[in-house]
Amino acid sequence: GENVEQHPSTLSVQEGDSAVIKCTYSDSASNYFPWYKQELGKRPQLIIDIRSNVGEKKDQRIAVTLNKTAKHFSLHITETQPEDSAVYFCAVPSGSARQLTFGSGTQLTVLP
Amino acid sequence: DTAVSQTPKYLVTQMGNDKSIKCEQNLGHDTMYWYKQDSKKFLKIMFSYNNKELIINETVPNRFSPKSPDKAHLNLHINSLELGDSAVYFCASSLGDGESGYTFGSGTRLTVV
Repeated sequence: GENVEQHPSTLSVQEGDSAVIKCTYSDSASNYFPWYKQELGKRPQLIIDIRSNVGEKKDQRIAVTLNKTAKHFSLHITETQPEDSAVYFCAVPSGSARQLTFGSGTQLTVLP
Repeated sequence: DTAVSQTPKYLVTQMGNDKSIKCEQNLGHDTMYWYKQDSKKFLKIMFSYNNKELIINETVPNRFSPKSPDKAHLNLHINSLELGDSAVYFCASSLGDGESGYTFGSGTRLTVV
């Protein structure tokens, strides 16, 4: 099955700084790479995704970059704010049904 | 309207009991899923189901069974509950094409005592 590794497991940054979370995957057939944000006690919510035909996608303060050759993709958050504090998950489709296998999560804390 | 709704939100029950969690989606999605999130926040797939196929994660005990009366509903039935079943269970739905995001329900926090 798909092996998805996510780093770091915890990340603390000062408000206004940037945060970067990285995921590596094993299935070279994967072509869809979403990121989810889960606030405390809430459901995971899709915040950005990228398909393999592009190398970068931006949406305001968040961006995702993809390196298909190296099989890794990263989430970049700029100008972090306290409300960015949450657990972030990467995911990769796997198996015959292409269901999402999630990374282990990164607890991001933005310090005011 | 809530896109993916789960009930109940909280469930506290004794070991050995049987319980069900219900999930409904109004997005017209073809595929629904159940994920288990443990205390370390790991999100692990349990089942995926569309009109044609049920995919079961081989690590899921057969005490867990999904039941789908129609494509908008995927319920989870658990027999003979054990302490280790305590977790948050999330239902989700998607187009099922492998290139679409999931919409998650609000989760059911199951506590087995």
